[in-house]
Formats: sequence, structure tokens, C-alpha cells
Amino acid sequence: NAGVTQTPKFQVLKTGQSMTLQCAQDMNHNSMYWYRQDPGMGLRLIYYSASEGTTDKGEVPNGYNVSRLNKREFSLRLESAAPSQTSVYFCASRGGYYEGETQYFGPGTRLLVL
Amino acid sequence: KNEVEQSPQNLTAQEGEFITINCSYSVGISALHWLQQHPGGGIVSLFMLSSGKKKHGRLIATINIQEKHSSLHITASHPRDSAVYICAVFYGGATNKLIFGTGTLLAVQP
Repeated sequence: NAGVTQTPKFQVLKTGQSMTLQCAQDMNHNSMYWYRQDPGMGLRLIYYSASEGTTDKGEVPNGYNVSRLNKREFSLRLESAAPSQTSVYFCASRGGYYEGETQYFGPGTRLLVL
Repeated sequence: KNEVEQSPQNLTAQEGEFITINCSYSVGISALHWLQQHPGGGIVSLFMLSSGKKKHGRLIATINIQEKHSSLHITASHPRDSAVYICAVFYGGATNKLIFGTGTLLAVQP
């Protein structure tokens, strides 16, 4: 099993450009998450999907959209990138229905917006 | 003030030393996680605790629910333990999400 995979690993964008970060998991997990990690701050939740067909805003959703394409895939879209969105983005998934259960993280996507 | 406070922020140790990293949180929780993030970024879950103590190899995690405090101990530390250690808490109920601390950067020197 590959676990949680993310593409791309690195990306440089210019202000105003758009892009989609892809995430897939092969563990048949119900819940999937997108986080951003910035220096000096803890991981912050952008959006999550508790199950296929549902998505909800997290702590910092502004400037992002998500799609839960199917049970395996959860994508994050930046419609008009801004320098403030320079960050490392992590996708995660969780199998059970108890939110406190272990989450499995992808390797991260490093995004630089110029 | 962050809801989850970790200390120290940075820690340098010599190989073989016993290491303790602390995590404090502000209100009652349902579960607490310890995570490890290696240079290069990958994040791995080490423990999930709701009470007591758990041990895995040289790692020991404890939690005191009354004092709202958890510790992660590393015995006989090794340079390969060098990483960022992150505490995250789950409050349950309406919050229903993990809240992460800012992490403790550990460097173990040979």
C-alpha cells in the first residue's frame, strides 16, 4: 500500500495563477483532510471531508476550494494564488468514525507563491 | 495564546541522554496524539492517548488528564531521533477536530 500520496511535491506559482493539489489514499479511509504548515505555527486545517460526497471548512479556508472526487481522492484548489499561501500543504486520512483516531499523512507539497 | 503549548521549542541532546518533551492544553480533551516529523517533512503518528501511559520501543508517552498535561520521553536517545515532535489534541463534541501544537525541534548529537 502506498498510504497517502500527494502531487506535486514542489510548485512555484506567480500571484494570481491557479493550481490543484492532488491527494489520494489507498487505505479505504472515510475521512480526508487538508492542512497547511507555516513556520512557528501548528498545522492548521483548511478543509476536511468526513465521508465521500461531503466537505466542510476548517480553520483557514479562505482562498481555497476542495473536491472529494471519490472515496480515494481529495483535491485542494487555489483559484488565484497569493503570496500568503506560500506554505507546506499536507493531506491526511483517517479510517474510523472517531475523530480522535490516528491520521495518516502524505509527504507534503511545498508551494511558493511569488 | 495557542490552545496547545509545547516545551521546549528547541532541544539539543547528546546521544544516550534521556529526553522529555512536554505538552499542555487548556480544556478537557478526548484524546491526545504525539506525531514525529523528520527533516524532509514526512509526518508519522507515534501515539494516541486518552489516559495513562503507552510505550513503543524507546518512546514513552504519558498523560495526566487532571493536570491537562502530557509528556513524551525518549530513552537512550540516538541521532536518528532528531526530528520535530508535535502534540495534537482532540476535544471532541462540536469542535470535532485536531488542534496542533507548534512542535519541538530535537537535535541529538553523536
